[in-house]
Amino acid sequence: AQSVAQPEDQVNVAEGNPLTVKCTYSVSGNPYLFWYVQYPNRGLQFLLKYITGDNLVKGSYGFEAEFNKSQTSFHLKKPSALVSDSALYFCAVRVPLSWQAAGNKLTFGGGTRVLVKP
Amino acid sequence: KAGVTQTPRYLIKTRGQQVTLSCSPISGHRSVSWYQQTPGQGLQFLFEYFSETQRNKGNFPGRFSGRQFSNSRSEMNVSTLELGDSALYLCASSSASGTETYNEQFFGPGTRLTVL
Repeated sequence: AQSVAQPEDQVNVAEGNPLTVKCTYSVSGNPYLFWYVQYPNRGLQFLLKYITGDNLVKGSYGFEAEFNKSQTSFHLKKPSALVSDSALYFCAVRVPLSWQAAGNKLTFGGGTRVLVKP
Repeated sequence: KAGVTQTPRYLIKTRGQQVTLSCSPISGHRSVSWYQQTPGQGLQFLFEYFSETQRNKGNFPGRFSGRQFSNSRSEMNVSTLELGDSALYLCASSSASGTETYNEQFFGPGTRLTVL
């Protein structure tokens, strides 16, 4: 079975400082990894994904993530955080097995609340 | 393109009732997935439909069911509601087809269901 862990329930960072949100995963096979962000009373918004290739993935709103196969991690980063980045962040994994076995099922981590203070 | 839309946005029901939630995917998307979000359990996969067929199902009781229509619109139904069914129900659509499962999913704003 696949699982995703986000070890920090909350991350506090000052505006302008680097932001890191941690994610580790456990799967059998090669994972597809995703980051989503959720603002209050809203659905999830896609930030970025890792499928294959370059381990450093760039996404929306200045976010990037680094895939590390040996550490089974996919940490989300932003060089300079903004107050508007305050939200709930979710890491998710999908393992493509077969059309029937996997489909589009995403397994999510528990979420990390990011608070960026001015 | 219009995003994923879900109706209604808010619902209040009482235990024992049933409820139907609706989701309209992004135009051209044939895959629709449903997720339940609660403070205690987080985001959990309910089921996925592709071309009117249920392709995958999560670990939820049979009270939770769904279907997809020929225009890709989807509905999910919860019968005999329990207090624990109170949650935000999110629908997501994807352009992924048969074996392409690397496409991202686009989520709707959700339906907030409260069971009293």
